Amino acid sequence: AQSVTQLGSHVSVSEGALVLLRCNYSSSVPPYLFWYVQYPNQGLQLLLKYTTGATLVKGINGFEAEFKKSETSFHLTKPSAHMSDAAEYFCAVTPAGNNNDMRFGAGTRLTVKP
Amino acid sequence: DVKVTQSSRYLVKRTGEKVFLECVQDMDHENMFWYRQDPGLGLRLIYFSYDVKMKEKGDIPEGYSVSREKKERFSLILESASTNQTSMYLCASSLGQGFARNTEAFFGQGTRLTVV
Repeated sequence: AQSVTQLGSHVSVSEGALVLLRCNYSSSVPPYLFWYVQYPNQGLQLLLKYTTGATLVKGINGFEAEFKKSETSFHLTKPSAHMSDAAEYFCAVTPAGNNNDMRFGAGTRLTVKP
Repeated sequence: DVKVTQSSRYLVKRTGEKVFLECVQDMDHENMFWYRQDPGLGLRLIYFSYDVKMKEKGDIPEGYSVSREKKERFSLILESASTNQTSMYLCASSLGQGFARNTEAFFGQGTRLTVV
């Protein structure tokens, strides 16, 4: 079975500062990994995903994440935070080839201070 | 663009009522899902369906049922609503197994249900 742990339910950064949102996963088979973003009163939108190939993946809005198998991590980063990045972020895992079973972390709420 | 549409953004229902939440997707996806979102708990899977008339229980199916009579539509049913079912409900869809890299789920806008 798969599971996801997001460290830190709330993260606050200043505008222009580095954003780092942490995600660790547990999976008995090779995983596919995802980051989603949720703006207030909206559904989830895909930011980026890792399936196979390059372990550093780039997504929308300047975000990127690196799959580190040895650390079972898939942390999300952005070099310079923007006010519009304030939202809730969810990490998710699914077994490779079985997308019926997608598990989400508890979410991290990002606040960006001016 | 993939579009997943949930019939209501906000609903207020009384305890004991039968509640229907409807979800329609327009991309011919095989998989459809219902999640419940609560603060600090993330998204929890209630039910999913990988084909018409097929359904599988997720992590928290108690108190819920689902119906999938057509490929594009997946309904969540609260047989007798209770106050502990007050939550945000999210519908999602995705391509079926075998679509190796196109596995992401596409979400609707959510339905915020309040049971009083």
